[in-house]
This record gives sequence, C-alpha cells and structure tokens, in this order.
Amino acid sequence: EVQLLESGGGLVQPGGSLRLSCTASGFTFSSYAINWVRQAPGKGLEWVSAIGGSGADTWYGDSVKGRFTISRDNSRNTVYLQMNSLRAEDTAIYYCARDLSRYNSGCFDFWGQGTLVTVSS
Amino acid sequence: EIVLTQSPGTLVLPPGERATLSCRSSQSVSGNYVAWYQRTPGQAPRLLIYGASRRATGIPDRFSGSGSGTDFNFTISRLEPEDSAVYYCQQYGTSPWTFGQGTKVEIK
Repeated sequence: EVQLLESGGGLVQPGGSLRLSCTASGFTFSSYAINWVRQAPGKGLEWVSAIGGSGADTWYGDSVKGRFTISRDNSRNTVYLQMNSLRAEDTAIYYCARDLSRYNSGCFDFWGQGTLVTVSS
Repeated sequence: EIVLTQSPGTLVLPPGERATLSCRSSQSVSGNYVAWYQRTPGQAPRLLIYGASRRATGIPDRFSGSGSGTDFNFTISRLEPEDSAVYYCQQYGTSPWTFGQGTKVEIK
C-alpha cells in the first residue's frame, strides 16, 4: 500500500525557517517525482514544488522561488522541503503528493494527510 | 498562469441522482491534461480522473470525466452517501500546475 507521511509542521515566526519531511512507503521511491502542494485557510490548493525521482531536477512555484528548497534522500525514502524567510501568507496545510511519473508531470496519484504550518508572531 | 473556475460552488442532491460538475479554464489546456480529485474531511485527497477522461486505478465507473480545450466536466452517475466531498479540478498542461477552487457535493 502506498503511503506518504508528512511531518515537521508547527508554529514559526515571520522570517523564520522550518523543514518539512515526507516519508514514503509501499513503492519504489526513486521511480517517482514527489511534489508539495499547500492549502491556506479558506483558499484553494496551490502547487509549491516538485523534485524528480533522481533528485537532479527541481521545480518551484513563483511564490516560493528563492525561499524554499526541495531535496530528497532516496536511501531514506524521504523528501524534504526547507522553508526559509517564512511569511504569514505561507500559513497552510502542506501536502506531499506522488507524481504519476519519475518527472514532474504535474498529476498526483497519491497524497499524504498533510502537516500544518503556521507563520505568526 | 491558467485560472480554473469551477461551478457550482455547492451541489446538494439525494442518493442515486446524477451530479455534473464544471471546470472552465482561462485558456486552452495543453493536451487536455485535466485531473479531478476528491477530498473528504480528514482524508488525503484522492485522484479520480486524469487526462480529462481516464479513471485512476481502482476508481468505480460511476465516476467519469469529459471535455477538451477550455471546458471540462466531471460526472458521478449515481450518487452514494460516501461521495459527500469537495471535488477539485486541476490542469497540468502548463506550469505552474493550478487547481480550481472546488465544488462541494452534499448528499441529502
């Protein structure tokens, strides 16, 4: 059974940093790209970032480019999202989602339950 | 970026009825790469349809998708109580991938 489990969310002050983790099981991890998608309170879903199966290729949404860094450790079946210079508008539930393919096709066939990030003083 | 507009915002129907949801794009979706997801409270989002009309693995055939260009539809042919959820369309033809705001389906 495919499972994705996010962790690392919490309360952080504006300008602070946080690292999210997404640990996967039930499939050959390196064969799939992994994405982060977020949903702010009362807002819709927003694609944040993606990383290819090998980790060599990464993609970012404009709202997080230059502040967030995605990486993966295939030996640990884990993807990370390092979030720096956090803003109030980054407050959201962050979901990790498996891509249909090794590359960033943009379609997500399995999702985790999400982890809440709150940016507030 | 491509903006997706879903309608209606909320749909209330009895069990056994047919539900049709609409997703309109601000520009033509490349390759008709449109997906539909279901999200129920406390659950992870679930992929139902991709490529506008292809059912994901394990999805019952009462769920279907259609459309091309800028207009896409999602249909549940016979509503069941467990179909109460918010349904989102998404385009993945042009980066950045974008989602509609969702349609809430209530079964009453």
